[in-house]
Amino acid sequence: KAGVTQTPRYLIKTRGQQVTLSCSPISGHRSVSWYQQTPGQGLQFLFEYFSETQRNKGNFPGRFSGRQFSNSRSEMNVSTLELGDSALYLCASSLGQGRADTQYFGPGTRLTVL
Amino acid sequence: AQTVTQSQPEMSVQEAETVTLSCTYDTSENNYYLFWYKQPPSRQMILVIRQEAYKQQNATENRFSVNFQKAAKSFSLKISDSQLGDTAMYFCASNSGTYKYIFGTGTRLKVLA
Repeated sequence: KAGVTQTPRYLIKTRGQQVTLSCSPISGHRSVSWYQQTPGQGLQFLFEYFSETQRNKGNFPGRFSGRQFSNSRSEMNVSTLELGDSALYLCASSLGQGRADTQYFGPGTRLTVL
Repeated sequence: AQTVTQSQPEMSVQEAETVTLSCTYDTSENNYYLFWYKQPPSRQMILVIRQEAYKQQNATENRFSVNFQKAAKSFSLKISDSQLGDTAMYFCASNSGTYKYIFGTGTRLKVLA
């Protein structure tokens, strides 16, 4: 089975711009979660989608949004970029079965905001 | 609120030696799962081992084993016969069924030749 893929792998944007990141889960997985990883903060949960519905959301401002399509692929959008948004954005897919779920991670998208 | 704490930001170990990474957590749930993930320098995060809170027996995967102390809310990872390929960032995580994982801040492990 193909693993979780994320595109693009690297992005450079300037403050004020917006960006869209994409994640394709493992075939058969219906849950996609997004995380922001920074050296000081570790992995911070952004949101989780299951069957096109957002089931949980982390403590991020409304500039961060996401969606999931019927084929389980997910996109994450960040509007009005700030310097502090520079991070590695990780996507993880799973079956979506709750606490027993094992998440499988993609390679991440490295976003740099100048 | 759920929390996961890894108190060792960095550790090093000689090749072939054993090292233990610490993790403590807090949750009000009775049933939950705990995980250790490894993130090598290439950045792809992979699952190392997982433990169900209801299971008394400590999980083991080849050279990796955990010491799960439910009452103390402790979940440490032991790596035996350390190899250079074990050099990575290790994250402890919990999942209490709220559709999100809680991760610790990670421990950077360096295996020395």
